[in-house]
Amino acid sequence: GAVVSQHPSRVICKSGTSVKIECRSLDFQATTMFWYRQFPKQSLMLMATSNEGSKATYEQGVEKDKFLINHASLTLSTLTVTSAHPEDSSFYICSARDVTQGDGPGAFFGQGTRLTVV
Amino acid sequence: GNSVTQMEGPVTLSEEAFLTINCTYTATGYPSLFWYVQYPGEGLQLLLKATKADDKGSNKGFEATYRKETTSFHLEKGSVQVSDSAVYFCALTPLADYGGSQGNLIFGKGTKLSVKP
Repeated sequence: GAVVSQHPSRVICKSGTSVKIECRSLDFQATTMFWYRQFPKQSLMLMATSNEGSKATYEQGVEKDKFLINHASLTLSTLTVTSAHPEDSSFYICSARDVTQGDGPGAFFGQGTRLTVV
Repeated sequence: GNSVTQMEGPVTLSEEAFLTINCTYTATGYPSLFWYVQYPGEGLQLLLKATKADDKGSNKGFEATYRKETTSFHLEKGSVQVSDSAVYFCALTPLADYGGSQGNLIFGKGTKLSVKP
């Protein structure tokens, strides 16, 4: 199946700094990528939909100025957590949709990034 | 709106026991339904899917049938193994205005399964 690579898998940063997370589709072009956040013992919540070459669409309640998304190419989307605070500590997961498979098998997921802000 | 409700865990079973994890959904039209699995320390993996009513998805001994009449997609396995210990997520793709998938997924809260030898 299609592979989505997410990097880094773990990151610890100081409060007030920014962190960039990369999501790459390795063997297919993804015009659309999705960013999810998973709190401990909870489900994944969609944060934003990233479309190549255009602005991301954020879900209600997600601060677009805090969670900057860039989807500059068909194989790469980045999420930057700006001025991180301890409450931003979470598990962030990206997924990419292979449009050649139509509405078929569902999006393919990266391995996730565990962000810890100290 | 669209939502997914799955049974709360954790679920603890002995090896070779029968597994059922209930999942019901609320959605307009006929969304596609999925089960994802998250093994410890790893990302999500698609386990199985069904795209229309009465479809049965199956993989690695797991099965789930898309029941439109009961809006359910329960996950079953006849004989679980220790290696099945993981968190299982039921999910659906909401439909766009044109009737196709929006591409994103709406997840249930996940059910942790622990299988003891």
